[in-house]
Amino acid sequence: ETGVTQSPTHLIKTRGQQVTLRCSSQSGHNTVSWYQQALGQGPQFIFQYYREEENGRGNFPPRFSGLQFPNYSSELNVNALELDDSALYLCASSLYGGSFMNTEAFFGQGTRLTVV
Amino acid sequence: AQSVTQLDSQVPVFEEAPVELRCNYSSSVSVYLFWYVQYPNQGLQLLLKYLSGSTLVKGINGFEAEFNKSQTSFHLRKPSVHISDTAEYFCAVSETFNTNAGKSTFGDGTTLTVKP
Repeated sequence: ETGVTQSPTHLIKTRGQQVTLRCSSQSGHNTVSWYQQALGQGPQFIFQYYREEENGRGNFPPRFSGLQFPNYSSELNVNALELDDSALYLCASSLYGGSFMNTEAFFGQGTRLTVV
Repeated sequence: AQSVTQLDSQVPVFEEAPVELRCNYSSSVSVYLFWYVQYPNQGLQLLLKYLSGSTLVKGINGFEAEFNKSQTSFHLRKPSVHISDTAEYFCAVSETFNTNAGKSTFGDGTTLTVKP
């Protein structure tokens, strides 16, 4: 079991609403990445946060936004929810930068978001 | 940009039989390669990774994978599977230049079902 925790585990929202998902990274890690995993598909990279700044973004619209806090925990915010946003949202924690070879990411158990 | 193709969406196999899960990738730059396992309602767990050196990589739970640069493949194998190996398996790549495992491109997964 990794030290990455996500909350909540399940969430049901109505189309058009906004949602915030949370992730606590593993101790000693400074980078958090967020992925969307639709049913029957592999995880798709949304964005990554490093030192409280966005450090790369996948092909997702601006209504997907995030934050990273000084303790390296992170939030994923999604505005104007659409039915297609229904998915498992995964957070991955890793160590990046300087002399560190960031060659392993540790995943949380995910938040299952259902948009109705 | 990279892409990952997992050639089999479902692989049924009998207990104690050998198994191979196939993964091909495409990339214009050098990549690191990973295999992850996902059990129902859980996050991803790293099985093994190829960074450099020997092309045969051994991982947890008796799995191994072979990197073939000329064929751009990274197939996962296990000589004898158990019922507990039933899960979803994902192949992933990330750029070596950026050395950032948090930014990975995943395949769509292979469902391994081990039958008694």
